[in-house]
Amino acid sequence: SQTIHQWPATLVQPVGSPLSLECTVEGTSNPNLYWYRQAAGRGLQLLFYSVGIGQISSEVPQNLSASRPQDRQFILSSKKLLLSDSGFYLCAWTMDSYYGYTFGSGTRLTVV
Amino acid sequence: AQSVTQLGSHVSVSEGALVLLRCNYSSSVPPYLFWYVQYPNQGLQLLLKYTTGATLVKGINGFEAEFKKSETSFHLTKPSAHMSDAAEYFCAVSLGGATNKLIFGTGTLLAVQP
Repeated sequence: SQTIHQWPATLVQPVGSPLSLECTVEGTSNPNLYWYRQAAGRGLQLLFYSVGIGQISSEVPQNLSASRPQDRQFILSSKKLLLSDSGFYLCAWTMDSYYGYTFGSGTRLTVV
Repeated sequence: AQSVTQLGSHVSVSEGALVLLRCNYSSSVPPYLFWYVQYPNQGLQLLLKYTTGATLVKGINGFEAEFKKSETSFHLTKPSAHMSDAAEYFCAVSLGGATNKLIFGTGTLLAVQP
């Protein structure tokens, strides 16, 4: 069966520290992968998406970056966190919109 | 490019009353449309989706939505609200294609009063 793993579940980091959030998909090959952020009182904002290994597209210029070192691994990073990076981060995958999307359980990041 | 507008960031209904959450989309081609629910401190759960075919879509937990192309709408309804329906609801649109990007509305927080 196909599953998606996202970790850690919660994270508290000081301003200026680095960040690495990991998302892994199992049971499928060459999925489309997505990172979303949900800030307090706001909707789900698409940050990055990837249609293949090493292929990253950014939707919103910001303090974050993404990488896809392996087919089913998607990493969200930052060199120096800002207070505004706080939020709930969700990873998702699909093979095709027609079949729908599967979301991870999310990471709640608090930058202090 | 596609976009989604959800009218009403907060909706309050009484238990047993009709639930109506509004969603309008903007798309240059026929879209795929989705409704997701998010309970506090949890991820997203798919309620229902429209891809092709019948425009009235039935989902889980008694929810349904109707795709109205002429109105560019995909409103979510439930005949009788239950306390357990209290959550945040997101409408989303995708145009498919190579990227399959899924774009969300800003969400509607549903409160159910006893």
